[in-house]
Amino acid sequence: AQSVTQLGSHVSVSEGALVLLRCNYSSSVPPYLFWYVQYPNQGLQLLLKYTTGATLVKGINGFEAEFKKSETSFHLTKPSAHMSDAAEYFCAVRIYNQGGKLIFGQGTELSVKP
Amino acid sequence: NAGVTQTPKFQVLKTGQSMTLQCAQDMNHEYMSWYRQDPGMGLRLIHYSVGAGITDQGEVPNGYNVSRSTTEDFPLRLLSAAPSQTSVYFCASSPGAFSGNTIYFGEGSWLTVV
Repeated sequence: AQSVTQLGSHVSVSEGALVLLRCNYSSSVPPYLFWYVQYPNQGLQLLLKYTTGATLVKGINGFEAEFKKSETSFHLTKPSAHMSDAAEYFCAVRIYNQGGKLIFGQGTELSVKP
Repeated sequence: NAGVTQTPKFQVLKTGQSMTLQCAQDMNHEYMSWYRQDPGMGLRLIHYSVGAGITDQGEVPNGYNVSRSTTEDFPLRLLSAAPSQTSVYFCASSPGAFSGNTIYFGEGSWLTVV
């Protein structure tokens, strides 16, 4: 069965520091991978996605992620954290033979310290 | 840019009551779905639809009913509310079930069952 694991339910970084949010997936078929961000009391907003082609994907707000098939990973990074990055981040996989549903990880709450 | 619109945003129900969460999208998307979000569990799929007149169950369908009479609307019905249905509900839509399509989310509906 397909699944997504996000390592660390809470991550805290200082403003200006590197942000690294980890995501690993399991899938028996080529996955399509997504990162979403959720600000308090709001819906989910797409940060970036990997479908095919270049394995390094750039998204909004300076975030990027690299698809590594050999490691079944899709970690999210940002070189320099900003206070406005504080939010919950969800990694998700969409599988073509599962009715098009998104399978989510448990989420990682990012805190940014001044 | 309306996108995916959900109503109501907040609702308190008594155990045993029924209600309908409304969802409408103005992007002419064929694929629509409902998720619920609970702490530490990410988002889980309740029901989905690949087009008008076609619906199917997701991971956690019990206690919920859906219909899709038009492309634009996808209401979620709680038949007899239970405290376990206290959650945040998100409606989402996508151009199709193709896995590379982005899924767009509404702002959420906060439901409390007492």
